[in-house]
Amino acid sequence: DFPLTQSPSFLSASVGDRVTITCRASQDIRNYLAWYQQRPGKAPKLLIFGASTLQSGVSSRFSGSASGTEFTLTISSLQPEDFATYYCQQVDTNPFAFGPGTKVDIK
Amino acid sequence: EVQLVESGGGLVKPGGSLRLSCAASGFSFSGYSMIWVRQAPGEGLEWLSYISSSSNAIYYADSVKGRFTISRDDARSSLYLQMSSLRAEDTAVYYCARDMNPYFDALTGHAFDIWGQGSMVTVSS
Repeated sequence: DFPLTQSPSFLSASVGDRVTITCRASQDIRNYLAWYQQRPGKAPKLLIFGASTLQSGVSSRFSGSASGTEFTLTISSLQPEDFATYYCQQVDTNPFAFGPGTKVDIK
Repeated sequence: EVQLVESGGGLVKPGGSLRLSCAASGFSFSGYSMIWVRQAPGEGLEWLSYISSSSNAIYYADSVKGRFTISRDDARSSLYLQMSSLRAEDTAVYYCARDMNPYFDALTGHAFDIWGQGSMVTVSS
């Protein structure tokens, strides 16, 4: 198994803020990491894959980066529709486990 | 329109069985690997199972191994999750999702781009 940790688990931010969420893998997952956004009562939505490739149709204010086993999702300027929970998922080896999530709330 | 639609959820007693279905449309289902994911009330996402496009690679989370069975019927463009020996802790919304690449991309790996709306399963006496 390749457990993931995410930090913070919760953050409170304002519209226009720059937000950074970190996901750490316990071992090398070769940048095979995806990020998802989930709004309440909705299915997850793919944002980023391959650690840094933006999914088609996703706003460019979302970006992903990687440094070793540490991965970062950045929202450059938080918009009202971005208040949601964000999950990372390692997609290197089954089980394709998700991180525990980061809830982004309105300050 | 590319979409996945789950069905088959409902209320079941502990120890009971249920089969979830995921109907695909708008794309060539047979060429894509698929997964099942669930989310217990107020909790995070839990990956459950993976099936490759040819069904020659199947994996399960430890939490469901031996109790759940994933399968697919390409002629019907459908994915299934047969669940047995259900427990209260299996209560969750169950999602199916599509692996975005028909062939493994060595640069980016897997990613799941199309998700169903979810099907609620409640295990309670």
